Amino acid sequence: QQPVQSPQAVILREGEDAVINCSSSKALYSVHWYRQKHGEAPVFLMILLKGGEQKGHEKISASFNEKKQQSSLYLTASQLSYSGTYFCGTDQGAQKLVFGQGTRLTINP
Amino acid sequence: NAGVTQTPKFQVLKTGQSMTLQCAQDMNHNSMYWYRQDPGMGLRLIYYSASEGTTDKGEVPNGYNVSRLNKREFSLRLESAAPSQTSVYFCASSAQGPQSNQPQHFGDGTRLSIL
Repeated sequence: QQPVQSPQAVILREGEDAVINCSSSKALYSVHWYRQKHGEAPVFLMILLKGGEQKGHEKISASFNEKKQQSSLYLTASQLSYSGTYFCGTDQGAQKLVFGQGTRLTINP
Repeated sequence: NAGVTQTPKFQVLKTGQSMTLQCAQDMNHNSMYWYRQDPGMGLRLIYYSASEGTTDKGEVPNGYNVSRLNKREFSLRLESAAPSQTSVYFCASSAQGPQSNQPQHFGDGTRLSIL
């Protein structure tokens, strides 16, 4: 089942914070986060494992609540380079990821 | 370090024509994947190969076939192209499947239009 991401789109000013959520109706083993800039390939950001351990990448961090089957991506003090579409990919127990529909993040000066 | 290489980058086909999209990785990865990306739909898995010699259907396999030619190469074939297959196609690879907690590395994509 495709996970649901929210919001679908968000517009920020540089320096503001954002949270992107990813919810699944199925039990999850892990959640992967990717960022895609317009016209480019998706790029790996981080993996969240069972146990709720929060992983970080520069000023981008994330959490995973396996009981609620949810993950959240936190972007702190956003930079212009953070603009793009963010995808969560969920490991539901098969040899593949199921991706959400994406959240478009626009950072304005 | 090339990573994942896809060819061609752009292609225009007529309805009913056939075509093979090529993908090769130089990272000695075991698992390879083909996705299609349509506006507002995210990345949808077409087929994947967990290891050399195996292939499995993903979410949207109808109208496609794949071949894992060797460990490096994984091709996607459209036997009789339809306008609904107009999309951007991405190939990806990972050292092992998702349960090994390894990231996927994506190619630059093939932009395919079917008239």
